[in-house]
Amino acid sequence: GQNIDQPTEMTATEGAIVQINCTYQTSGFNGLFWYQQHAGEAPTFLSYNVLDGLEEKGRFSSFLSRSKGYSYLLLKELQMKDSASYLCAVVSPGGYQKVTFGTGTKLQVIP
Amino acid sequence: NAGVTQTPKFRVLKTGQSMTLLCAQDMNHEYMYWYRQDPGMGLRLIHYSVGEGTTAKGEVPDGYNVSRLKKQNFLLGLESAAPSQTSVYFCASSYSSGVQETQYFGPGTRLLVL
Repeated sequence: GQNIDQPTEMTATEGAIVQINCTYQTSGFNGLFWYQQHAGEAPTFLSYNVLDGLEEKGRFSSFLSRSKGYSYLLLKELQMKDSASYLCAVVSPGGYQKVTFGTGTKLQVIP
Repeated sequence: NAGVTQTPKFRVLKTGQSMTLLCAQDMNHEYMYWYRQDPGMGLRLIHYSVGEGTTAKGEVPDGYNVSRLKKQNFLLGLESAAPSQTSVYFCASSYSSGVQETQYFGPGTRLLVL
């Protein structure tokens, strides 16, 4: 089966750094996505990791450890517009792009 | 280039009524997906399509049917709506089934079944 765990909510201060964790147990692993979803809007792509290590993209970085079934999304220099839900999603073998989504972490950035 | 569009944006149905949700993409993507998103649960796959004329069941297909008569359109039908189908429905598309292919999502359809 597939199981993905993320914290439900987090609060952080504008200008600070926040780390959103994701742990997973899945049958097969072909990579991990992070999506951002603002309230009432569609999810949008942030990052994809398939190899262990850190991928940096501007203020956002994503880390993966396949042996530990663990990933995190690191957001630096937080801005108010970063208030959103962050979805961890694991890709498994399936003949199509079989993606299992976590429930998402709602991040609130406060002044 | 509109990306992925969905109609309608919001709908209220009575139990037992039927409706069709339309998804359209202009990116020439082969793969299309229908998800539902409920509070406290992740996005769950209802049905998907790997190309024009083909559809397959996802994780939660019961109570839904789909059709992909044209490559750019993916329709989701509810034959007899139930309150348990109250949800936000997202359509997504991707160019291929490659594991690192990004799925592009539509803006969602909010459905309330009374």
